[in-house]
Amino acid sequence: KQEVTQIPAALSVPEGENLVLNCSFTDSAIYNLQWFRQDPGKGLTSLLLIQSSQREQTSGRLNASLDKSSGRSTLYIAASQPGDSATYLCAAIIDTGNQFYFGTGTSLTVIP
Amino acid sequence: ETGVTQSPTHLIKTRGQQVTLRCSSQSGHNTVSWYQQALGQGPQFIFQYYREEENGRGNFPPRFSGLQFPNYSSELNVNALELDDSALYLCASGPLTGSGYGYTFGSGTRLTVV
Repeated sequence: KQEVTQIPAALSVPEGENLVLNCSFTDSAIYNLQWFRQDPGKGLTSLLLIQSSQREQTSGRLNASLDKSSGRSTLYIAASQPGDSATYLCAAIIDTGNQFYFGTGTSLTVIP
Repeated sequence: ETGVTQSPTHLIKTRGQQVTLRCSSQSGHNTVSWYQQALGQGPQFIFQYYREEENGRGNFPPRFSGLQFPNYSSELNVNALELDDSALYLCASGPLTGSGYGYTFGSGTRLTVV
């Protein structure tokens, strides 16, 4: 069974700081790895999807990397802003059925 | 703006009751999945429907059941509600590509069992 872990569980940083969120998974035979954002009481917004054949993906201030051999992914957020405050979830897709295995998330607070 | 709509947004039920949650898929999507997200946890896969048939199920008891309709909308039914069923229930629709691309999540239904 795929187990996905995220560290840290919570993070508080001053505005403008660069930060890294970590995600680890136990089964390296993943199909894809996806990062989501969740605002309080809301659904999930997809941020970045990395295919198993890729090493990283970038979108604006966000950069996600994937190392299948070590079972790790990181989400790098540059020049953090208060609007980045949310919970960030990573999810591994390990087969063709589109089932996501989610981590428990990192709650990010960016202080103005 | 999400193309997946869930109703109701909030619901309070009594232990032992039954509940039906609804999801309207994004246009063009033929697959719908349901997830349960307990407070402070990541979403857990309940099941997936593809062309009106169950196409995968997570570690949830049979009292969790579902339907997908010809227009690809879906229902999640939970019988004999327990206090631990209190959670945010998320619906996601997408194409059955296996890649995760194009999957869209709804805003969820917050179920409270008292």
